[in-house]
Amino acid sequence: DVKVTQSSRYLVKRTGEKVFLECVQDMDHENMFWYRQDPGLGLRLIYFSYDVKMKEKGDIPEGYSVSREKKERFSLILESASTNQTSMYLCASRNGGQSNQPQHFGDGTRLSIL
Amino acid sequence: DAKTTQPPSMDCAEGRAANLPCNHSTISGNEYVYWYRQIHSQGPQYIIHGLKNNETNEMASLIITEDRKSSTLILPHATLRDTAVYYCIVRVKGDKLIFGTGTRLQVFP
Repeated sequence: DVKVTQSSRYLVKRTGEKVFLECVQDMDHENMFWYRQDPGLGLRLIYFSYDVKMKEKGDIPEGYSVSREKKERFSLILESASTNQTSMYLCASRNGGQSNQPQHFGDGTRLSIL
Repeated sequence: DAKTTQPPSMDCAEGRAANLPCNHSTISGNEYVYWYRQIHSQGPQYIIHGLKNNETNEMASLIITEDRKSSTLILPHATLRDTAVYYCIVRVKGDKLIFGTGTRLQVFP
């Protein structure tokens, strides 16, 4: 079974802090994704990566950055956390070998910015 | 972008088959249909996907109409643990998954 592990289920940080969200997958997947999920807005794609050291902006990259130094790990960074970044953050990975392969998600990190 | 339409909620008795419909009338020829579900406070769980043939795995069956404008996810023997929000998704260009509002399935004893 595919395993996507997010480092924290719940996280509370303060405005202005630099926040790191970590995601690790154990299936040697090439592609990894970061989404945020908010009530009434569904999932929105923040950043994604097709390979190590590669990154692409999604729909809402402002205020975020990412790091993919190793194939299995994809980190999301909130450069200076703000209250409007309070959300559920979801990481996903996918086998990039075939374009129809599904994305597999972690359990999410519920982040609160105070 | 292809969009999907699902009923907002459905009920199903435990042990019975749950049939969840999805309309995707604007789907294009090379777009796959994916089904996910999300149990409260957890990440979305992949269930099944297909292009035009019916598909079955250990979790569910996916029936896609011949014109591909609609599909049905079948959970053959629903259990209480199948209570969740079910999302039907047509994958769009750029790998973006667009989750709509889904169908809230309530399985009752």
